[in-house]
Amino acid sequence: GAVVSQHPSRVICKSGTSVKIECRSLDFQATTMFWYRQFPKQSLMLMATSNEGSKATYEQGVEKDKFLINHASLTLSTLTVTSAHPEDSSFYICSAERTGLDTEAFFGQGTRLTVV
Amino acid sequence: AQSVTQPDIHITVSEGASLELRCNYSYGATPYLFWYVQSPGQGLQLLLKYFSGDTLVQGIKGFEAEFKRSQSSFNLRKPSVHWSDAAEYFCAVGARGYSTLTFGKGTMLLVSP
Repeated sequence: GAVVSQHPSRVICKSGTSVKIECRSLDFQATTMFWYRQFPKQSLMLMATSNEGSKATYEQGVEKDKFLINHASLTLSTLTVTSAHPEDSSFYICSAERTGLDTEAFFGQGTRLTVV
Repeated sequence: AQSVTQPDIHITVSEGASLELRCNYSYGATPYLFWYVQSPGQGLQLLLKYFSGDTLVQGIKGFEAEFKRSQSSFNLRKPSVHWSDAAEYFCAVGARGYSTLTFGKGTMLLVSP
Protein backbone atom coordinates (compact mmCIF):
# COMPACT_ATOMS: atom_id res chain seq x y z
CA GLY A 1 0.00 0.00 0.00
CA ALA A 2 0.88 3.65 -0.19
CA VAL A 3 2.97 5.25 2.52
CA VAL A 4 2.13 8.28 4.60
CA SER A 5 4.79 9.53 6.95
CA GLN A 6 3.97 11.67 9.95
CA HIS A 7 6.62 13.50 11.93
CA PRO A 8 7.39 13.72 14.76
CA SER A 9 5.99 10.58 16.34
CA ARG A 10 6.25 12.07 19.80
CA VAL A 11 6.72 15.62 21.01
CA ILE A 12 6.72 17.28 24.39
CA CYS A 13 6.39 21.02 24.53
CA LYS A 14 5.94 23.71 27.11
CA SER A 15 2.62 25.40 27.59
CA GLY A 16 2.35 28.49 25.43
CA THR A 17 4.65 27.31 22.68
CA SER A 18 3.70 26.14 19.20
CA VAL A 19 4.25 22.73 17.68
CA LYS A 20 4.27 21.76 14.01
CA ILE A 21 3.34 18.28 12.83
CA GLU A 22 4.09 17.17 9.28
CA CYS A 23 2.18 14.71 7.16
CA ARG A 24 3.80 13.51 3.94
CA SER A 25 2.58 11.18 1.24
CA LEU A 26 5.77 9.47 0.15
CA ASP A 27 4.77 7.69 -3.04
CA PHE A 28 1.65 9.43 -4.28
CA GLN A 29 0.22 12.89 -4.62
CA ALA A 30 -2.57 13.88 -2.31
CA THR A 31 -4.81 16.79 -3.11
CA THR A 32 -6.71 16.11 0.06
CA MET A 33 -5.40 15.23 3.48
CA PHE A 34 -7.26 14.89 6.76
CA TRP A 35 -6.31 15.65 10.34
CA TYR A 36 -7.80 13.69 13.22
CA ARG A 37 -7.49 13.87 16.96
CA GLN A 38 -7.78 10.86 19.19
CA PHE A 39 -8.31 11.12 22.93
CA PRO A 40 -7.38 8.17 25.14
CA LYS A 41 -9.84 5.31 24.78
CA GLN A 42 -11.87 7.39 22.35
CA SER A 43 -12.41 7.29 18.67
CA LEU A 44 -10.84 9.46 16.02
CA MET A 45 -12.47 12.81 15.56
CA LEU A 46 -12.01 14.62 12.28
CA MET A 47 -10.59 18.07 12.90
CA ALA A 48 -10.19 19.40 9.41
CA THR A 49 -9.85 18.61 5.75
CA SER A 50 -6.73 19.99 4.16
CA ASN A 51 -6.90 20.91 0.48
CA GLU A 52 -3.78 21.59 -1.53
CA GLY A 53 -3.58 25.22 -2.56
CA SER A 54 -6.62 26.36 -0.65
CA LYS A 55 -7.85 26.92 2.87
CA ALA A 56 -8.59 23.98 5.10
CA THR A 57 -12.13 23.10 6.02
CA TYR A 58 -12.56 22.81 9.76
CA GLU A 59 -15.12 20.73 11.59
CA GLN A 60 -17.54 22.40 13.93
CA GLY A 61 -15.95 23.23 17.25
CA VAL A 62 -12.36 23.17 16.00
CA GLU A 63 -10.57 26.48 16.40
CA LYS A 64 -8.93 27.31 13.10
CA ASP A 65 -6.70 29.95 14.68
CA LYS A 66 -5.39 27.44 17.16
CA PHE A 67 -4.91 24.55 14.76
CA LEU A 68 -3.27 26.04 11.69
CA ILE A 69 -3.24 23.83 8.63
CA ASN A 70 -1.10 24.38 5.58
CA HIS A 71 -1.16 22.19 2.47
CA ALA A 72 1.39 23.89 0.28
CA SER A 73 2.28 20.95 -1.92
CA LEU A 74 0.69 17.75 -3.17
CA THR A 75 2.76 15.68 -0.77
CA LEU A 76 2.84 17.72 2.42
CA SER A 77 0.33 19.04 4.89
CA THR A 78 1.25 20.55 8.23
CA LEU A 79 -0.71 21.06 11.42
CA THR A 80 0.55 23.70 13.82
CA VAL A 81 -0.84 23.73 17.32
CA THR A 82 -0.40 27.32 18.42
CA SER A 83 -0.06 28.46 22.00
CA ALA A 84 -0.41 24.89 23.18
CA HIS A 85 -2.04 24.10 26.50
CA PRO A 86 -2.15 20.85 28.48
CA GLU A 87 -5.67 20.17 27.22
CA ASP A 88 -4.24 20.01 23.69
CA SER A 89 -2.29 16.92 24.68
CA SER A 90 -3.57 14.16 22.47
CA PHE A 91 -2.77 11.78 19.64
CA TYR A 92 -2.98 13.49 16.26
CA ILE A 93 -3.27 11.41 13.09
CA CYS A 94 -3.27 12.48 9.50
CA SER A 95 -4.47 10.66 6.44
CA ALA A 96 -3.87 11.33 2.77
CA GLU A 97 -6.32 10.50 0.06
CA ARG A 98 -5.03 8.71 -3.01
CA THR A 99 -7.55 9.13 -5.78
CA GLY A 100 -7.99 6.89 -8.77
CA LEU A 101 -9.93 3.81 -9.72
CA ASP A 102 -9.93 2.80 -6.10
CA THR A 103 -9.81 5.90 -3.92
CA GLU A 104 -8.43 5.22 -0.49
CA ALA A 105 -7.13 7.19 2.45
CA PHE A 106 -3.83 6.12 3.99
CA PHE A 107 -2.99 7.01 7.56
CA GLY A 108 0.21 8.25 9.10
CA GLN A 109 1.57 6.66 12.24
CA GLY A 110 0.33 9.50 14.43
CA THR A 111 1.93 12.06 16.72
CA ARG A 112 1.68 11.90 20.48
CA LEU A 113 1.66 15.50 21.73
CA THR A 114 2.22 16.19 25.40
CA VAL A 115 2.01 19.76 26.64
CA VAL A 116 3.56 20.38 30.04
CA ALA B 1 -26.25 12.52 11.54
CA GLN B 2 -24.20 9.44 10.98
CA SER B 3 -22.89 7.36 13.87
CA VAL B 4 -21.11 4.11 14.54
CA THR B 5 -21.51 1.89 17.56
CA GLN B 6 -19.01 -0.72 18.56
CA PRO B 7 -20.66 -2.27 21.61
CA ASP B 8 -17.64 -4.17 22.86
CA ILE B 9 -14.84 -2.10 24.37
CA HIS B 10 -12.63 -5.13 25.00
CA ILE B 11 -12.73 -8.67 23.70
CA THR B 12 -10.42 -11.51 24.71
CA VAL B 13 -10.06 -14.46 22.39
CA SER B 14 -7.88 -17.52 22.65
CA GLU B 15 -5.30 -17.95 19.93
CA GLY B 16 -6.74 -20.15 17.19
CA ALA B 17 -10.33 -19.37 18.12
CA SER B 18 -12.74 -17.53 15.88
CA LEU B 19 -13.44 -13.83 16.22
CA GLU B 20 -16.37 -11.56 15.57
CA LEU B 21 -16.28 -7.84 16.26
CA ARG B 22 -19.59 -6.05 16.13
CA CYS B 23 -20.35 -2.79 14.39
CA ASN B 24 -23.68 -1.05 13.99
CA TYR B 25 -24.11 2.15 12.07
CA SER B 26 -26.63 4.86 11.49
CA TYR B 27 -26.50 6.59 8.13
CA GLY B 28 -29.12 8.31 6.07
CA ALA B 29 -27.97 7.19 2.66
CA THR B 30 -26.21 4.17 1.25
CA PRO B 31 -23.24 3.74 3.55
CA TYR B 32 -19.65 3.10 2.72
CA LEU B 33 -18.21 0.98 5.50
CA PHE B 34 -14.67 0.40 6.66
CA TRP B 35 -12.72 -1.56 9.22
CA TYR B 36 -9.34 -0.30 10.36
CA VAL B 37 -6.78 -1.79 12.74
CA GLN B 38 -4.48 0.24 14.97
CA SER B 39 -1.49 -1.18 16.79
CA PRO B 40 -0.29 0.68 19.90
CA GLY B 41 1.18 4.06 19.03
CA GLN B 42 0.65 3.46 15.34
CA GLY B 43 -1.58 4.85 12.66
CA LEU B 44 -4.50 3.04 11.14
CA GLN B 45 -4.36 0.32 8.55
CA LEU B 46 -7.33 -0.45 6.34
CA LEU B 47 -8.49 -4.05 6.72
CA LEU B 48 -11.39 -3.95 4.30
CA LYS B 49 -14.14 -1.76 2.96
CA TYR B 50 -17.61 -2.11 1.52
CA PHE B 51 -18.91 0.21 -1.14
CA SER B 52 -21.40 -1.92 -3.05
CA GLY B 53 -21.92 -5.37 -4.54
CA ASP B 54 -21.29 -8.58 -2.66
CA THR B 55 -22.19 -8.06 0.97
CA LEU B 56 -19.44 -10.38 2.17
CA VAL B 57 -16.17 -8.55 1.86
CA GLN B 58 -12.74 -10.10 2.08
CA GLY B 59 -9.88 -8.10 3.50
CA ILE B 60 -6.26 -8.45 4.40
CA LYS B 61 -4.81 -10.73 7.07
CA GLY B 62 -7.65 -13.23 6.71
CA PHE B 63 -10.39 -10.86 7.86
CA GLU B 64 -13.84 -10.63 6.36
CA ALA B 65 -16.94 -8.58 7.08
CA GLU B 66 -20.57 -8.91 6.17
CA PHE B 67 -22.84 -5.97 5.42
CA LYS B 68 -26.39 -6.54 6.62
CA ARG B 69 -28.58 -3.63 5.65
CA SER B 70 -31.60 -4.91 7.56
CA GLN B 71 -29.59 -4.95 10.78
CA SER B 72 -27.47 -1.88 10.01
CA SER B 73 -24.47 -3.97 10.83
CA PHE B 74 -21.02 -4.59 9.42
CA ASN B 75 -19.42 -7.19 11.69
CA LEU B 76 -15.80 -8.19 11.28
CA ARG B 77 -14.84 -11.86 11.45
CA LYS B 78 -11.78 -14.04 11.37
CA PRO B 79 -11.92 -17.84 11.59
CA SER B 80 -8.68 -18.30 13.51
CA VAL B 81 -7.04 -15.54 15.51
CA HIS B 82 -3.29 -15.16 15.76
CA TRP B 83 -1.44 -13.46 18.61
CA SER B 84 -0.33 -10.75 16.17
CA ASP B 85 -3.97 -9.75 15.70
CA ALA B 86 -4.02 -8.16 19.15
CA ALA B 87 -4.74 -4.49 18.47
CA GLU B 88 -7.56 -1.99 18.44
CA TYR B 89 -10.15 -2.23 15.72
CA PHE B 90 -12.23 0.65 14.42
CA CYS B 91 -15.34 0.52 12.32
CA ALA B 92 -16.14 3.60 10.23
CA VAL B 93 -18.95 4.80 8.01
CA GLY B 94 -19.06 7.53 5.44
CA ALA B 95 -19.78 8.62 1.95
CA ARG B 96 -17.42 7.85 -0.90
CA GLY B 97 -15.18 10.73 0.02
CA TYR B 98 -13.10 10.12 3.09
CA SER B 99 -13.83 13.54 4.52
CA THR B 100 -17.09 12.25 5.90
CA LEU B 101 -15.74 9.28 7.80
CA THR B 102 -17.20 8.72 11.25
CA PHE B 103 -15.41 6.24 13.46
CA GLY B 104 -16.69 4.06 16.25
CA LYS B 105 -14.96 4.12 19.62
CA GLY B 106 -13.00 1.02 18.85
CA THR B 107 -12.75 -2.51 20.22
CA MET B 108 -9.54 -3.65 21.84
CA LEU B 109 -8.76 -7.25 20.95
CA LEU B 110 -6.67 -9.24 23.39
CA VAL B 111 -5.40 -12.65 22.37
CA SER B 112 -4.69 -15.20 25.07
CA PRO B 113 -2.30 -18.13 24.61
